[in-house]
Amino acid sequence: QSVLTQPPSVSGAPGQRVTISCSGSSSNIGTAYDVHWYQQLPGTAPKLLIYATSNRPSGVPDRFSGSKSGTSASLAITGLQAEDEADYYCQSYDSSLSGYVFGSGTKVTVL
Amino acid sequence: EVQLVESGGGLVLPGGSLRLSCAASGFTFSSFPMSWVRQAPGKGLEWVSSISGGGGTTYSADSVKGRFTISRDNSKNTLSLQMNSLRAEDTAVYYCAKRAPSEKYFDYWGQGTLVTLSS
Repeated sequence: QSVLTQPPSVSGAPGQRVTISCSGSSSNIGTAYDVHWYQQLPGTAPKLLIYATSNRPSGVPDRFSGSKSGTSASLAITGLQAEDEADYYCQSYDSSLSGYVFGSGTKVTVL
Repeated sequence: EVQLVESGGGLVLPGGSLRLSCAASGFTFSSFPMSWVRQAPGKGLEWVSSISGGGGTTYSADSVKGRFTISRDNSKNTLSLQMNSLRAEDTAVYYCAKRAPSEKYFDYWGQGTLVTLSS
């Protein structure tokens, strides 16, 4: 049972916009702790996609964007491409658990 | 270029022990906290344990507390995870991850090493 809740899957046609939600609580996303997002392509290690809610590391296309409101966060992918087919995880820090927490993961399928 | 290379995974009997290692390069290893994150087959990511840059502070998930010990050798740029009293539910790919400067997220990950518990 993951501390952060994500939908198991989302899908969209090429070029469409999809969003992935990440629901937390007052001890993680709802506090001063930021939310971050990782992309995991099939058979590979996770890769940092978005940090501190809405910042992209160098090399990440601006098709990926993040936002946060209260105890929830969202990742949006605009102009969906076949190469975006992957698992996506949100992550934060939890003050009650004194540790890092991850979302349950969302599989993005490009139709 | 930051590189994290894990090793030490393999097949182990329940109740057994295993020691994982992570060789780091491309950054000032001693300046950054490091962590282990695992992923059971077909499942999501689970944080396991973290250690401060100097090695003096460690903390672990409740699921491994008392069984797993994280450590580091800054002279050899190596992170380790000693795993004892292994259980079937410890079967997973174990990733070494570098924490970002001053922020609680992981900016670089290794390729992972698979630990399989089987009798």
